[in-house]
Amino acid sequence: GNSVTQMEGPVTLSEEAFLTINCTYTATGYPSLFWYVQYPGEGLQLLLKATKADDKGSNKGFEATYRKETTSFHLEKGSVQVSDSAVYFCALTSTDSWGKLQFGAGTQVVVTP
Amino acid sequence: NAGVTQTPKFQVLKTGQSMTLQCAQDMNHNSMYWYRQDPGMGLRLIYYSASEGTTDKGEVPNGYNVSRLNKREFSLRLESAAPSQTSVYFCASKGQGPTNEKLFFGSGTQLSVL
Repeated sequence: GNSVTQMEGPVTLSEEAFLTINCTYTATGYPSLFWYVQYPGEGLQLLLKATKADDKGSNKGFEATYRKETTSFHLEKGSVQVSDSAVYFCALTSTDSWGKLQFGAGTQVVVTP
Repeated sequence: NAGVTQTPKFQVLKTGQSMTLQCAQDMNHNSMYWYRQDPGMGLRLIYYSASEGTTDKGEVPNGYNVSRLNKREFSLRLESAAPSQTSVYFCASKGQGPTNEKLFFGSGTQLSVL
């Protein structure tokens, strides 16, 4: 079945540092890949997505590239801000899953001034 | 722009009590979902409803029931709460078609079962 593995947190870094969160997946079919973000006390929000191999999703300075050869979708941001402190979830949905999302465990990111 | 609205936000139950979590969306979405969020486990799908009038089990359906009351509303019921059901519950909805893959989430219900 489908599964998503992402690096454990918490990840603690200083403002303006470079952020990478690793995500790898196992899926049948041709999945779409997503990063969702959860700010404290809120529900999840879509951050970015990619629907086919070699696509790059980007939003709010975050980027992730759909790598089919390595089954990965790593999230990166060049210069983080305190406001980026949140929990980040990698997820996938495949064509045979009725739009259901399979989530990774989540990675907490803490950015300090 | 209400989006997805969940009630209540917080609830404490005793073992064996029952309760219903309410969810409503105002985006005319066909599909609705209930997830639970537990530390270190991400979000796991409890039940979903691909369209009005249909419901299906997800990954962790035991101990729960759902009702898709109409297109807007999708409720989750715990008939006899257990401590293992202590979690944060999220309702989500999604539009129709392959280009509408984005899920919209409510703000969650934090449930404690003592």
